[in-house]
Amino acid sequence: QLQLVQSGAEVRRPGASVMVSCKASGYTFKHHGISWVRQAPGLGLEWMGWIRPDNGNTKYALSFQGRVSMTRDTSRSMAYMELRSLRSDDTAVYFCARVAYTGAVDPWGQGTLVIVSS
Amino acid sequence: VLTQTPLSLPVTPGEPASISCRSSQSLLNPDDGKTSLDWYLQRPGQSPQLLIYLVSYRASGVPDRFSGSGSETDFTLKISRVEAEDVGVYYCMQRVEFPSLTFGQGTRLEIK
Repeated sequence: QLQLVQSGAEVRRPGASVMVSCKASGYTFKHHGISWVRQAPGLGLEWMGWIRPDNGNTKYALSFQGRVSMTRDTSRSMAYMELRSLRSDDTAVYFCARVAYTGAVDPWGQGTLVIVSS
Repeated sequence: VLTQTPLSLPVTPGEPASISCRSSQSLLNPDDGKTSLDWYLQRPGQSPQLLIYLVSYRASGVPDRFSGSGSETDFTLKISRVEAEDVGVYYCMQRVEFPSLTFGQGTRLEIK
């Protein structure tokens, strides 16, 4: 069964870092990119970046460059997103999603809630 | 930029519904002739799910009451007969500058 399973909710202080993991199953992990998208409470979807699992190439949205890192472990079919220097407005649900051969993103992980609060 | 209208859509069950998505740039890729516009539904408390890809192709398992149309900058998602399970927020998404993704603001469909 094709699915992405993400790590659990996290609470961090402002200035800290958080890492969210995304485990893929049901397909060949190296064959599909992984995009990361976040959704602040009650708001829309914001693309953060993308990683190509076969070679580790990444592309980050301008608004996150310098604060985000996306990595992968192909032996475990895992993708990771680390966000540093957290602010209160980074409070959001973070999703990973597979980039299908069509280019669409499908499926999505269940989401990971990250709360940034002092 | 993707602009969706309306932002809120109350619909009576069994009635049709239509959502518009307009892009500030053409989403047609001249290299392969494909138009990179997809539609997603985010049901309450769930992750987004793919409904329509490349303007008009229904994703696996999506009922045929959903259809997508449009070209270059103007796109439409139509639901022929709304059902209770269609409640949620609908997003259009463009990916003409792969791998970057841009989403519309979302359209909240509710049942009257």
